[in-house]
Order: sequence, then C-alpha cells, then structure tokens
Amino acid sequence: AQSVTQLDSHVSVSEGTPVLLRCNYSSSYSPSLFWYVQHPNKGLQLLLKYTSAATLVKGINGFEAEFKKSETSFHLTKPSAHMSDAAEYFCVVSGDSNSGYALNFGKGTSLLVTP
Amino acid sequence: NAGVTQTPKFQVLKTGQSMTLQCAQDMNHEYMSWYRQDPGMGLRLIHYSVGAGITDQGEVPNGYNVSRSTTEDFPLRLLSAAPSQTSVYFCASSGGTGFSGNTIYFGEGSWLTVV
Repeated sequence: AQSVTQLDSHVSVSEGTPVLLRCNYSSSYSPSLFWYVQHPNKGLQLLLKYTSAATLVKGINGFEAEFKKSETSFHLTKPSAHMSDAAEYFCVVSGDSNSGYALNFGKGTSLLVTP
Repeated sequence: NAGVTQTPKFQVLKTGQSMTLQCAQDMNHEYMSWYRQDPGMGLRLIHYSVGAGITDQGEVPNGYNVSRSTTEDFPLRLLSAAPSQTSVYFCASSGGTGFSGNTIYFGEGSWLTVV
C-alpha cells in the first residue's frame, strides 16, 4: 500500500522567510507524488508533481520539492513566504489498481504566515 | 474551458432525504472520481470511474451510488442521507490515473450538511 505522512500539522513562518513542509512516503514501487494547496473554503490546486523524471520538481508560485528515494521524502520548499501562501497543504501519493488508483492524502499541514 | 464543475456548492439535507451531487468536466477525461473531506482525515475515495459505463468502489462507498453514462458527467447520489455524510465532497478528473503520473483536476467542492 502507498501512504504519505506529513510530519507537521502546523507550520508558522514570517513573511519573507523560507518555507519547509515535510512529507515522507511509503510505496512498494516508484511512486507518483503530488503537492496540493487548499485555501480556506476553496478547492484543491495542484502545486507540483513528481513522476520519476527529474528529482527536483518546480511548481507554481515559487514552490519546489525534491524527491529523495534514500530518505523516502518529498519535502516542499519556497525561498520566501508571502502572506498569500497561508493555506492548507497536502502531500499526495497515487495508489495502484488495487486501490482504484486512489490518491492517498496526508492529513495536511496548515501554513501560517505572519507579517 | 470550465474544467471540473460541481453543483450545488452548498446543500442542507434532512436525515433520510436523497440528493444528487453533479460533476461535469469538459476535458474529455476518462478517469473521474469522488472524494469526501473530513477534518483531520484528508480526502478519501468514495467511487471512481475509468470510462463511460465503468464504475467501481473506493475506500468509503457505503451510502453512495454513482453512474457514468457519458464521458463528461459523473453524478454522486446519496440514497438516504445520514448525519455521518456531512462533509465536503470533491469531484476529480484526469486523462489517466495519478499512478501513471497524470495531473488530477479537482472541482471546487460541495459543502453538504445533513441535519
């Protein structure tokens, strides 16, 4: 089975400082991994995805993530936080046919950005 | 290009009532799915479809029915609403599975309250 664990339920940063949201995955094969963002009372927006190409993946709004197989990690980073980055972030791994190709979501990390 | 459209956005039901959540996509995607989002639990797969006429159960299918008569539409039916079905529902579609690295597009969500 495939699963992800988001290591922090809440992260607080000051505007202009770096963001690090941590995610570890478990998979019996080379996974497809995603990061989604959800602003309050809004839908889910794809930030970036990893599909076994380059291990450093660049996404929208200055976010990027690095796939590290040896550490089974897929942490999300951004060099400088903006107030508009405050949201819920989900690390996601895709399941295989046994699970109906379900997307397995982490429990989410709430990012707070302070002035 | 509207993407994935869900209706209604908000709905209040009485226990025992039935209703249908509508989902439509205009991207000619084969794969569509329904998730529910509950606090602290991320998103969980209810039902999915890999093409017109083909549906299958996900992780939490009880109390829900689906059908896929066209490529564009994938409605979710609540047969007899229960308070436990109070949740936010998301429809998703993609050209293939996330397992294969395809981007999954989500609708904006439907907030359902059962009283």
